Amino acid sequence: DADVTQTPRNRITKTGKRIMLECSQTKGHDRMYWYRQDPGLGLRLIYYSFDVKDINKGEISDGYSVSRQAQAKFSLSLESAIPNQTALYFCATSAGGSKTQYFGPGTRLLVL
Amino acid sequence: SQELEQSPQSLIVQEGKNLTINCTSSKTLYGLYWYKQKYGEGLIFLMMLQKGGEEKSHEKITAKLDEKKQQSSLHITASQPSHAGIYLCGADIANDYKLSFGAGTTVTVRA
Repeated sequence: DADVTQTPRNRITKTGKRIMLECSQTKGHDRMYWYRQDPGLGLRLIYYSFDVKDINKGEISDGYSVSRQAQAKFSLSLESAIPNQTALYFCATSAGGSKTQYFGPGTRLLVL
Repeated sequence: SQELEQSPQSLIVQEGKNLTINCTSSKTLYGLYWYKQKYGEGLIFLMMLQKGGEEKSHEKITAKLDEKKQQSSLHITASQPSHAGIYLCGADIANDYKLSFGAGTTVTVRA
């Protein structure tokens, strides 16, 4: 079984809809991250969390919110989706003393 | 990110040939991470470099870190179809637990 899982894997939604992307991990890592990937732009950090009570904005947090429900779960919400948020979204984790991040399989989101 | 530049943006190589990808940072590197991504899939961690002059290898992939140039290179020897994909470098440029990523290099291996 995959250590970092993301649901759904693909999602099509309409402008203005609220949508939640979920990430779960069995690696026992404290730190979790959300990124989006756009062609030619690489990965950009949306939010990150170093433990359940610690949530931080990344470089492109506008229009997004997150919830760290447990050490193993980190959800990303788009309160009112817009076409500009069409992208591939990745969740990642890292362990206490390490900076190496491990990625989930990604969620492909299309906002019409 | 603008702090990390990868080159080339894409390359096509004949199976069996060697290839090199470069990742250059505009800021001090506290750690450099190489990942591989197959189209539409997640990133797979390849290796991490931390010290100037450090070199690591995994199968036919070798990565080196030139601390003075703030640059890392990824070299694939005798490329195979399994090497095709997008290679991304990630860097710790703030000495914290966040990584900045380059835009990626798309590698195509032709039989």
